[in-house]
Amino acid sequence: EPEVTQTPSHQVTQMGQEVILRCVPISNHLYFYWYRQILGQKVEFLVSFYNNEISEKSEIFDDQFSVERPDGSNFTLKIRSTKLEDSAMYFCASSESNGYTFGSGTRLTVV
Amino acid sequence: SQKIEQNSEALNIQEGKTATLTCNYTNYSPAYLQWYRQDPGRGPVFLLLIRENEKEKRKERLKVTFDTTLKQSLFHITASQPADSATYLCALSYSSASKIIFGSGTRLSIRP
Repeated sequence: EPEVTQTPSHQVTQMGQEVILRCVPISNHLYFYWYRQILGQKVEFLVSFYNNEISEKSEIFDDQFSVERPDGSNFTLKIRSTKLEDSAMYFCASSESNGYTFGSGTRLTVV
Repeated sequence: SQKIEQNSEALNIQEGKTATLTCNYTNYSPAYLQWYRQDPGRGPVFLLLIRENEKEKRKERLKVTFDTTLKQSLFHITASQPADSATYLCALSYSSASKIIFGSGTRLSIRP
């Protein structure tokens, strides 16, 4: 069964550093998303991406965040200057039209 | 503001029984309602999607209902098994590809 692949599975970074989280969505999907889940809390929407541009973003997705689809397969989330409160699981997802397929996530720990 | 409530934080039932999970929402008129399963440290796994004009949908031992008047969805697992133990998430969206808003989940435990 097709999968969404995320790397790395775990990233530890110092506060103020930049991180790039990577995702390979399912190849024939057109819609891509980033979500995050702080430990013990609900899964929260960050941003959706369609046709090479952002289609919607949440209040969480401020100037610190950016997304890119640098080639035909990868989809990245960049966090420019990480804060302690950015520590969370970050999930990439892709969709065709009938439910989302999520990756296994990247656990980001900011120290 | 939009609110999604899942009936209980945790539900414990005996193997073989039917588990029923509830999702209620307010200040929202979703066109689609989805249910996901999440295991610890893993991403959500899609289970079922139901549209606002559908009353019920089934997939193997799973059944979902969607009542737009009551603003409620019920999620049933029949003949439950210990392997069904996980957190189940209700999620709403305006379209099949728009962002989905998740509830906080119900942690289901099936005891042998």
